[in-house]
Amino acid sequence: TQLLEQSPQFLSIQEGENLTVYCNSSSVFSSLQWYRQEPGEGPVLLVTVVTGGEVKKLKRLTFQFGDARKDSSLHITAAQPGDTGLYLCATHSKTSYDKVIFGPGTSLSVIP
Amino acid sequence: NAGVTQTPKFQVLKTGQSMTLQCAQDMNHEYMSWYRQDPGMGLRLIHYSVGAGITDQGEVPNGYNVSRSTTEDFPLRLLSAAPSQTSVYFCASKQGTGNTIYFGEGSWLTVV
Repeated sequence: TQLLEQSPQFLSIQEGENLTVYCNSSSVFSSLQWYRQEPGEGPVLLVTVVTGGEVKKLKRLTFQFGDARKDSSLHITAAQPGDTGLYLCATHSKTSYDKVIFGPGTSLSVIP
Repeated sequence: NAGVTQTPKFQVLKTGQSMTLQCAQDMNHEYMSWYRQDPGMGLRLIHYSVGAGITDQGEVPNGYNVSRSTTEDFPLRLLSAAPSQTSVYFCASKQGTGNTIYFGEGSWLTVV
């Protein structure tokens, strides 16, 4: 069974600080997605990365896909309270492409 | 824009009772799925469907049944609720070949 690991599990920072969260697996990803989930709501897709070494930017968020496609990172510049939430990575299972599996998530709290 | 609609939002069950969580989507998506979310464990796939009449098991299928008689609906049935099924349940859908998963707002289930 392919497992996704995310670190750190919890992160609490002051507004304006930078941070990086990580997602990795022992297997090669076909593609990788990052979602953000706010309290009381369902996850919402932020980005999909497909190519090894790929970098995508979404305003203050920078997503990087490892060259070997086994890891990914999400970097937030100048964090704001609105960035608070659970950040989840997801990928297709190696045993069945139709199964989409999620990591345990990084819970981010940005303190004003 | 309804998207993915789940009912009920909150439910308390007694051990041994049965119930059905309803899920409907209006985006004509072939793929639908059910996840449960527990603290520190991210989203775990219960069952999924790639089209009407087709269902398959996810990571944690025991204690749950599903059916897919129409493209729009994908109900999740708990035949005999157990306290271990206390969780938040999310229904989701996507286009068959697409990457973006759209989630419902969640159903909070407590089994006492």
